[in-house]
Amino acid sequence: DAGITQSPRYKITETGRQVTLMCHQTWSHSYMFWYRQDLGHGLRLIYYSAAADITDKGEVPDGYVVSRSKTENFPLTLESATRSQTSVYFCASREPGLAMETQYFGPGTRLLVL
Amino acid sequence: DQQVKQNSPSLSVQEGRISILNCDYTNSMFDYFLWYKKYPAEGPTFLISISSIKDKNEDGRFTVFLNKSAKHLSLHIVPSQPGDSAVYFCAVTRTSGSRLTFGEGTQLTVNP
Repeated sequence: DAGITQSPRYKITETGRQVTLMCHQTWSHSYMFWYRQDLGHGLRLIYYSAAADITDKGEVPDGYVVSRSKTENFPLTLESATRSQTSVYFCASREPGLAMETQYFGPGTRLLVL
Repeated sequence: DQQVKQNSPSLSVQEGRISILNCDYTNSMFDYFLWYKKYPAEGPTFLISISSIKDKNEDGRFTVFLNKSAKHLSLHIVPSQPGDSAVYFCAVTRTSGSRLTFGEGTQLTVNP
């Protein structure tokens, strides 16, 4: 399927466990982003990547790790999950040089940390 | 610091009436503004945008107004329809930048 997909769509885990959220896009966009959505905070940028092997911190990077070995994949890892990381996570991608309107979001992963 | 604020967490309007959603930003360096719409269990989707060289942009029932001096933008939906019920996020950026900064979102409910 063309587009941007996220897996899993729903995840329940326990405090202290490691969790990896996957993001895959088929457009070969250079830019990829991870956001979290929380009530009262909107969408906040966690990490972003300008290209394979190039990543940078966003607004709320603490407790998260990313990697980008392939252009199409951008996994987000919670090394030791905490309850405050309960959230809905969105991945997005865009090609640099094109309008911001061309930033497309995945369907989201709802994560519950018990 | 909150660079983008949507002060109304929710808004309820009657079908056929106008919906007005507001957004304020703090940094005058931002020069491109977007609105996204989000339905439950889906990712946000782009709705409409405006550049700082304009003060109004219209697309069908949706119009975005920009007041640069007040650092304020608004989204008008006329007429509102039940299918417009969603969370609306405003986002700001610099044309030369790579990142969007989002507001908290406003839940719009359009009642039949």
